[in-house]
Amino acid sequence: KQEVTQIPAALSVPEGENLVLNCSFTDSAIYNLQWFRQDPGKGLTSLLLIQSSQREQTSGRLNASLDKSSGRSTLYIAASQPGDSATYLCAVRATGANNLFFGTGTRLTVIP
Amino acid sequence: DTGVSQDPRHKITKRGQNVTFRCDPISEHNRLYWYRQTLGQGPEFLTYFQNEAQLEKSRLLSDRFSAERPKGSFSTLEIQRTEQGDSAMYLCASSARLAGGTYNEQFFGPGTRLTVL
Repeated sequence: KQEVTQIPAALSVPEGENLVLNCSFTDSAIYNLQWFRQDPGKGLTSLLLIQSSQREQTSGRLNASLDKSSGRSTLYIAASQPGDSATYLCAVRATGANNLFFGTGTRLTVIP
Repeated sequence: DTGVSQDPRHKITKRGQNVTFRCDPISEHNRLYWYRQTLGQGPEFLTYFQNEAQLEKSRLLSDRFSAERPKGSFSTLEIQRTEQGDSAMYLCASSARLAGGTYNEQFFGPGTRLTVL
């Protein structure tokens, strides 16, 4: 069974700092990987999707990378802002599966 | 708004009561998924539909849970004889069929938060 781990569980940074969130998964046979943002008590907002054949995806200040062979993905956030404060979730879709396996998330706080 | 919508957003019920949640996917999205998220955890898959057919159910979906998507559009999730352990956020997601027949990005709704007293 696919297991997804996110480290750290929580992170606080001052505004303007660049930061990296980590995601690891146990089975490298993945179809794609999605990064989501979740605000307290809210649903999930899709940030980036990386196909298994891709190495990275970029959207604005966000860059996600994928190293399938080592079972790792990172989400890089440039020039962090207080509005980036949220929980970031990594989710993996295994090859042959239709559902997503989620990590427990990293709770990010950007301090003004 | 063309996103996934869910109703109600919050539901408080007493143990033993039945509850029903509704999800409206993004228009023309063939696949619809239900997930459950407990506090401090990531969402866990419950079931998914392709059009009106329920194609997969996880072991989390006990016999007290039933989901339907009768016309291939909106879906309902019913929990019978609710227990305190059912308290969670119930999330719905949908995805579109791409050229070539594959399904890719899942888009989530705002969720229904259930509290069982």
